[in-house]
Amino acid sequence: AQSVTQLDSQVPVFEEAPVELRCNYSSSVSVYLFWYVQYPNQGLQLLLKYLSGSTLVKGINGFEAEFNKSQTSFHLRKPSVHISDTAEYFCAVRTGNFNKFYFGSGTKLNVKP
Amino acid sequence: DGGITQSPKYLFRKEGQNVTLSCEQNLNHDAMYWYRQDPGQGLRLIYYSQIVNDFQKGDIAEGYSVSREKKESFPLTVTSAQKNPTAFYLCASSTSALAASTDTQYFGPGTRLTVL
Repeated sequence: AQSVTQLDSQVPVFEEAPVELRCNYSSSVSVYLFWYVQYPNQGLQLLLKYLSGSTLVKGINGFEAEFNKSQTSFHLRKPSVHISDTAEYFCAVRTGNFNKFYFGSGTKLNVKP
Repeated sequence: DGGITQSPKYLFRKEGQNVTLSCEQNLNHDAMYWYRQDPGQGLRLIYYSQIVNDFQKGDIAEGYSVSREKKESFPLTVTSAQKNPTAFYLCASSTSALAASTDTQYFGPGTRLTVL
């Protein structure tokens, strides 16, 4: 079975600083990769996804992620965070044979003024 | 507006009672999913359905049951057999669950279940 690792359970950062949230997955023949954001007591909202093509993917709210097949990683980045980015972020992987998503345990981003 | 609705938003249950969580979508999606979310554990798949009148167990199906009588509805029943039901429950849907799909899952707002 696929596994997804988000090593950082919490990431504190000051407003306007850059941030990187890390995501690694177990290797597979073909994977599709996603980042979701969750605000308190709400559902998950899709930030961005990698299905094929360019390994650098741009999403909403100024976030981007880079697919690195050799390192089996899909790290999420933002060059300058805002207070409103405070939320929990989930990395998810879908393997090619079925539309079943495997989620990481989440990273709580806490943006401080 | 198209989307996924879950009701109620908060639900309280006494031990030993069954309770049903509602999930409705008007996205015309074939596939629907139920996840359970606990702090620090991410999302775990309970059940999924690829098409009407068909559903399969996910990773943590024990103590739960589902039905899929209509394309737009996928209710989840938390039974008294579920030993630790207090959690946040999320419903999702996608266009298809077929092998060739590069689809995305879209999520509802969730239901927080608390057992008293």
